[in-house]
Amino acid sequence: DARVTQTPRHKVTEMGQEVTMRCQPILGHNTVFWYRQTMMQGLELLAYFRNRAPLDDSGMPKDRFSAEMPDATLATLKIQPSEPRDSAVYFCASSNSLGAGNTIYFGEGSWLTVV
Amino acid sequence: RKEVEQDPGPFNVPEGATVAFNCTYSNSASQSFFWYRQDCRKEPKLLMSVYSSGNEDGRFTAQLNRASQYISLLIRDSKLSDSATYLCVVNSPGGYNKLIFGAGTRLAVHP
Repeated sequence: DARVTQTPRHKVTEMGQEVTMRCQPILGHNTVFWYRQTMMQGLELLAYFRNRAPLDDSGMPKDRFSAEMPDATLATLKIQPSEPRDSAVYFCASSNSLGAGNTIYFGEGSWLTVV
Repeated sequence: RKEVEQDPGPFNVPEGATVAFNCTYSNSASQSFFWYRQDCRKEPKLLMSVYSSGNEDGRFTAQLNRASQYISLLIRDSKLSDSATYLCVVNSPGGYNKLIFGAGTRLAVHP
């Protein structure tokens, strides 16, 4: 059963530390998304890539966040330095933009706590 | 104004009840609409797409009203297992056609 894989599943870190989250999209999917979810803001789109090229990262705080796709099987989201307000669930999702509709499939999320 | 707005709920209903959620969207050029379901501490999963003519999938019926820019989800004969948060999703047309999620409506079905 194809699925989006995210690591780490849970991370507790101290303020100021670097955090790197990784995502393996579903094989063959050419579009990858990073979302952040908090109780207050709901699901926010941070960045997205198509065919490994960044298309839109307007939702991402540029001073501390960066997103990359080194290859078609790996997407990364990095926070440096982390702050307590970054505590959230970070979801990676992928889709096949050539397929029917725009259904996107989410990973199980990376639960980040910054203390 | 948010691009996609939903009543956060919670909707507390007994088993067997019929419950309906509405969602409004701000961009009249949006073309793709979906309902996603998210269980507590889990990832969102696609429940159903919403088509212009309305569509049904078992106990679930989705409707689209383009003139008023709202989408609805009707759940008949609710089950305990329907308890979840239901997310309304709309595409944001433009160069990159991204999906915008509403904050979700929480449903709690009780015995």
